Order: sequence, then C-alpha cells, then structure tokens
Amino acid sequence: NAGVTQTPKFQVLKTGQSMTLQCAQDMNHNSMYWYRQDPGMGLRLIYYSASEGTTDKGEVPNGYNVSRLNKREFSLRLESAAPSQTSVYFCASKRGIGYEQYFGPGTRLTVT
Amino acid sequence: KNEVEQSPQNLTAQEGEFITINCSYSVGISALHWLQQHPGGGIVSLFMLSSGKKKHGRLIATINIQEKHSSLHITASHPRDSAVYICAVTFGNEKLTFGTGTRLTIIP
Repeated sequence: NAGVTQTPKFQVLKTGQSMTLQCAQDMNHNSMYWYRQDPGMGLRLIYYSASEGTTDKGEVPNGYNVSRLNKREFSLRLESAAPSQTSVYFCASKRGIGYEQYFGPGTRLTVT
Repeated sequence: KNEVEQSPQNLTAQEGEFITINCSYSVGISALHWLQQHPGGGIVSLFMLSSGKKKHGRLIATINIQEKHSSLHITASHPRDSAVYICAVTFGNEKLTFGTGTRLTIIP
C-alpha cells in the first residue's frame, strides 16, 4: 500500500497563476483532509470531506476550492495564487470517526 | 487563540535522558493525538487516546481528562528521536485542532 500520496512535491507559482494539488489514498478511507503548515503555527484545516460526495470548509478556506473526485482522490485548487498561500500543504485521510489520520508527504508551494 | 498549548517549544537533551513533552487544552475533547514530524517533513501518528495511558516501545502517552492535560514521554532517548512532536485534539466534530509543536533534539 502506498498510503496517502500527493503530487507535486514542490511547486513555484507566480502571483495570479492557478494550480491543483492532487491527493490520493489507497486505504479505502472515508474521510479526507487538506491542511496547510506555516512556521510558528500549528497545522490548519483548509477543507475536508467526511465522505465521498461531501466537502466542508475548515479554518482557512479562503482562496481555495476542493473536489472529492471519488473515494480515493481529493484535490485542492488555487484559482489565483497569492504570496500568502506560500506554505507546505498536507493531505490526510482516515477510515472514519474515532480513527487516526494518515498523512501524505506534503507539497511545498512557493508563490512569488 | 490556539486551543491547544504545548510545552516546551524547544527541548535539547543528551542521549539516554527521559523526555517529557506536555499538552494542555481548553475544553472537553473526544480524543487527543500525538504526532511526529521528522526533518524530512513527513507526519506520522504515534498515539490516539481518550483516557488513561498508552505505550509503544520507548514512547508512553498519558492523558488526564479532568485536568485537560496530556504528556508524551520518551524513555532512553536516542538521536533518531529528534523530531517535532505535535499534539492535536478533536472536539467531537472529527476535525483536528493542532498545537504548534515541540522541537526535540537529542545530542549523542
């Protein structure tokens, strides 16, 4: 099992460009999450999907959109990147309520 | 205001020392998680607990629900334990709220 995979690992964007971060899990998990990690701050939830077909905003959703394409895949889109979105992005998944989360390796995004 | 507080923020110790990292939270929770983030960036779940104590190898996690406090202990610390240790809680809605982490460095 690959677990949770993310692509790309690194990305540099110019302000105003758009991109999609991809996440996939092969553990048949129901719930999937997108977080960002910034220096001096804890991980913060951007969006989550409790089950296939549903998505909900987290703590910092502005500037982002998500798609739960199927049970395996959960993508995060930046429509018009801003320097404030420079961060490390983590995708995570879990089986359901009361289970631990499994994290992907992260995507380091720089917006210039 | 972050509802999860960790201490210390940074900890440096000699190999073999007993390590304690603390986590406190403000309101009732459904579960508390301890995570490890290595210098390469990957995050691994170490423990998930809602009461009592759990042990895995040299790592021990405890939680006191009344005092809203948890500790992560490492016995016989080793340089490979050097990492950032993150406490996170769920408040019943299955969304995790994270502490800012404790950076642990073990010197040989």
